[in-house]
Amino acid sequence: SAVISQKPSRDICQRGTSLTIQCQVDSQVTMMFWYRQQPGQSLTLIATANQGSEATYESGFVIDKFPISRPNLTFSTLTVSNMSPEDSSIYLCSVAWSNTGELFFGEGSRLTVL
Amino acid sequence: GENVEQHPSTLSVQEGDSAVIKCTYSDSASNYFPWYKQELGKRPQLIIDIRSNVGEKKDQRIAVTLNKTAKHFSRHITETQPEDSAVYFCAASSGSNYQLIWGAGTKLIIKP
Repeated sequence: SAVISQKPSRDICQRGTSLTIQCQVDSQVTMMFWYRQQPGQSLTLIATANQGSEATYESGFVIDKFPISRPNLTFSTLTVSNMSPEDSSIYLCSVAWSNTGELFFGEGSRLTVL
Repeated sequence: GENVEQHPSTLSVQEGDSAVIKCTYSDSASNYFPWYKQELGKRPQLIIDIRSNVGEKKDQRIAVTLNKTAKHFSRHITETQPEDSAVYFCAASSGSNYQLIWGAGTKLIIKP
């Protein structure tokens, strides 16, 4: 299994500012993902964080709005840029366990934009 | 595009009764079907999964079935307990990139 530390756990931000969420894994993993989950909704994949190269974004998500870093196999950051109230959500870091395909999730970062 | 539909959106059962959640998928290449449980305010956690070479899998009170021809899979839990109350998500994956297509979720309520 994988232990994932994600921070901040929650934050309240002002419109127009940016926030960076950090994800630290206790072991080296190849596949790391960033998800968004609106209250009462399912999980939406934002992007796959690729080590040493640009992240792969899903439809509807762009690098300028959600820049992602992945400097090594145990760490990644997601920045939510120029925030608006519509960005209020829970953001989850996730890693795939290559032996089984199981996804492990961080505890999530609850973001509220005023 | 690829899609996973999940029903019902809410399911309320009496403690001790059984509960069934059903999902259908659109991509015939899907070969991995996990089920995740998310308790209120917590992260999603894998509870059981099934692969396309298996028709049924059981783990204590939980059984999952897969019908590849009809492209649907389901999760059946017996003898429900209060701690089973949560939101359950089904998902499907077809590639080696571990990307999942998620269902909309089912809120399971266990009435005492």
